[in-house]
Amino acid sequence: DGGITQSPKYLFRKEGQNVTLSCEQNLNHDAMYWYRQDPGQGLRLIYYSQIVNDFQKGDIAEGYSVSREKKESFPLTVTSAQKNPTAFYLCASTRGEGSWPQHFGDGTRLSIL
Amino acid sequence: AQSVTQLGSHVSVSEGALVLLRCNYSSSVPPYLFWYVQYPNQGLQLLLKYTTGATLVKGINGFEAEFKKSETSFHLTKPSAHMSDAAEYFCAVSFYGGSARQLTFGSGTQLTVLP
Repeated sequence: DGGITQSPKYLFRKEGQNVTLSCEQNLNHDAMYWYRQDPGQGLRLIYYSQIVNDFQKGDIAEGYSVSREKKESFPLTVTSAQKNPTAFYLCASTRGEGSWPQHFGDGTRLSIL
Repeated sequence: AQSVTQLGSHVSVSEGALVLLRCNYSSSVPPYLFWYVQYPNQGLQLLLKYTTGATLVKGINGFEAEFKKSETSFHLTKPSAHMSDAAEYFCAVSFYGGSARQLTFGSGTQLTVLP
């Protein structure tokens, strides 16, 4: 079955450390997204990519970086510049521009040690 | 600019009772509207969507929603709650013809189903 795989499910970060969250999809979707979820705030868009080797900042990109070297992969790095990284991170994908709905992975929960 | 407001961050209903989760949106152009459900420590699953056409939309698990342009609302209902409906529900909006990137989510409503 096709889907989105996020790993790891739980991740711990030390102060000053960069960590990378993995997102892989086998849906042959063109567009991929990263969202951050905090209690009571819904989902906020961090970065998105509509095609390989191209990505755009979302609403809360500061302290994060991404790459899109392959169509099926869209890793997110939470850098030490992100001062409040504790959150639930969700990856999503769609076929491409104007297509719906977005398919979601099961998320990665990041905590600070 | 578009926005979504979900009234009530927590809603409790008895098993077998009507479920009503409220969603109002703000959009300067015709919107696409969505309801998603999230179970603990999982991603979001699409319940239903409105794009064009019939304003009463039926989704999975017996849920439905009605797009009311005059009220800028898209409330989610289910005639009879089941224990398995306990989850968090998100309303989301995007606009017709927009790029794939833009889904604006509400802050969510946690539904509790009491035995």
